[in-house]
Amino acid sequence: DIQMTQSPSSLSASVGDRVTITCRASQGISTSLNWYRQKAGKAPEFLMYAASTLPVGVPSRFSGSGSGTEFTLNISSLQPEDFATYYCQQTYSTPRTFGRGTKVEIK
Amino acid sequence: VQMVQSGAEVKKPGASVKVSCKASGYSFTDYGISWVRQAPGQGLEWMGWISGYNGNSEYPQKLQDRVSMTIDTSTKTGYMELRSLGSDDTAVYYCARDAGRYRSSDLDYWGQGTLVTVSS
Repeated sequence: DIQMTQSPSSLSASVGDRVTITCRASQGISTSLNWYRQKAGKAPEFLMYAASTLPVGVPSRFSGSGSGTEFTLNISSLQPEDFATYYCQQTYSTPRTFGRGTKVEIK
Repeated sequence: VQMVQSGAEVKKPGASVKVSCKASGYSFTDYGISWVRQAPGQGLEWMGWISGYNGNSEYPQKLQDRVSMTIDTSTKTGYMELRSLGSDDTAVYYCARDAGRYRSSDLDYWGQGTLVTVSS
């Protein structure tokens, strides 16, 4: 199975801050990497696919990059609704493994 | 697009549970359904995928002997059955529309979650 490692596991930030989350795969996965945001007590939301493509309706403050084994999710200006936990997931091979999550908390 | 799941369940160890997921707002056979679970305070675990097109499915090896996913195209409903439940199966179970018709892909719309509690 491909292991997905996210860092940091948590971070504190303020509204308006720029935030970067990293996801590393245990083997190369090309750009087969998705990101999800999960607000407390809610279902996850689809945030990004193919490492850097935003689905329709996702705000442009979110951006992604990377290929192979290292990926980043950037939030250019943190909004109140962005205080949540973020998960990466590889879609390169079965099983479709998730990272353990990065919790973004209010400073 | 909406994915609406069945209600909470309480099961005894060793029992089985079957969760449903009714889809609406899209062509059911053009997509799949994936199931993801989340134990209390933990991260997300992908449990498998089923094609809405032909009913083919994929499961992770660790669950392969205990999980079954089915679909009913007439009612646009997906089902996930988990057998031989143990306490570590206590979790919120999510279904999600999967963009993959032939293999699991992007999970773009999610159900509200179904809490399954395993307790004696």
